[in-house]
Amino acid sequence: ETGVTQSPTHLIKTRGQQVTLRCSSQSGHNTVSWYQQALGQGPQFIFQYYREEENGRGNFPPRFSGLQFPNYSSELNVNALELDDSALYLCASSRGQGNVGDTQYFGPGTRLTVL
Amino acid sequence: AQKVTQAQTEISVVEKEDVTLDCVYETRDTTYYLFWYKQPPSGELVFLIRRNSFDEQNEISGRYSWNFQKSTSSFNFTITASQVVDSAVYFCALSEAGRGGSYIPTFGRGTSLIVHP
Repeated sequence: ETGVTQSPTHLIKTRGQQVTLRCSSQSGHNTVSWYQQALGQGPQFIFQYYREEENGRGNFPPRFSGLQFPNYSSELNVNALELDDSALYLCASSRGQGNVGDTQYFGPGTRLTVL
Repeated sequence: AQKVTQAQTEISVVEKEDVTLDCVYETRDTTYYLFWYKQPPSGELVFLIRRNSFDEQNEISGRYSWNFQKSTSSFNFTITASQVVDSAVYFCALSEAGRGGSYIPTFGRGTSLIVHP
């Protein structure tokens, strides 16, 4: 048990819609990262937040956005959904400032299907 | 640009066999970290080990051991006397500092380990 929870577990949307995924980190974990994991692939880094500000971003378009709240919860928002957005979305939290070498603790993920 | 290669897509063994999962990485940084994670069917990535680029000591934790060799840019993972519960997908990951020191991780494609009773 990592203490990181995500909701919902599964979600089905249609192309063009918007979606919000939620994550609750461990108390004291000030950094949260989001990953996209397509079927049969490794996780791909989307972005990272430290104390409610984005401090790192992977190669994802601006329609992927996030929010982090003071109560250790966070959201991943995806606008204008495309079929290729179908994937497992993982949230991970860490104690540090999101620096290289921090150990991340992952949630179970949200499986998003875009039809 | 950083890259992680896990050439073994799937490995199938019988319980009690030893198995080694390979990981080869590419980076231009001198300071970087390497990780191994286990992903059981439930989907949650479980942290196994972290190693920084300045520490080439091998590590053993119970039935698990890791061999880090900078000369070959490899960070291999061995499970001794495998058990059915070891069945999972295993990911190797590399992180190097991005701009401002933020964490930019790259994962390999994973190796699916199947341990038969």
